[in-house]
Amino acid sequence: DQQVKQNSPSLSVQEGRISILNCDYTNSMFDYFLWYKKYPAEGPTFLISISSIKDKNEDGRFTVFLNKSAKHLSLHIVPSQPGDSAVYFCAARNTGNQFYFGTGTSLTVIP
Amino acid sequence: DAMVIQNPRYQVTQFGKPVTLSCSQTLNHNVMYWYQQKSSQAPKLLFHYYDKDFNNEADTPDNFQSRRPNTSFCFLDIRSPGLGDAAMYLCATSRDTLAGAQGDTQYFGPGTRLTVL
Repeated sequence: DQQVKQNSPSLSVQEGRISILNCDYTNSMFDYFLWYKKYPAEGPTFLISISSIKDKNEDGRFTVFLNKSAKHLSLHIVPSQPGDSAVYFCAARNTGNQFYFGTGTSLTVIP
Repeated sequence: DAMVIQNPRYQVTQFGKPVTLSCSQTLNHNVMYWYQQKSSQAPKLLFHYYDKDFNNEADTPDNFQSRRPNTSFCFLDIRSPGLGDAAMYLCATSRDTLAGAQGDTQYFGPGTRLTVL
């Protein structure tokens, strides 16, 4: 049973506009959430994270929002750049050190 | 500068022939993970080591085994590969993450793509 879900397999955005990637989860015991970026032929690389005690974390062009009541998080990229084109994975961690991943969203930023 | 190294990057094996994938890390992290990722699917956690303590996921087949002889190395052994085991295998590490500790993440290797003929 998929505990972390990314329902949009792909997203296309014009350069300079906002990209919004969404993620839903089912386990209320997750205490930490992460976004990873993955280029072809490489492993996922860490992008940004948020603790379950916060509702927003910002790092440059990247902001992650957490809505615990809705069990939903989102990643905002503003402004989007062509180099942001990649697959983005949402992940959640439980207190047992286990990480669960979504299926990924392929972002294409159109110049 | 490589922090998590996986060898080989591409592995071809025959149906039923045992295969071992390796992972090493220069980060001195306590925790090492193995994930299986099939096309268009989420990376699926197979097991992880917390130091020498082995933690198997409930739905990981017995066909998959792991060894961690020291902090730096971890191996994934597939005893009798089937066609359904063809996938990308990702190794990852993280620091000691007790409940409540924040700011930790996993560092991934580039993966080993396994083909089963």
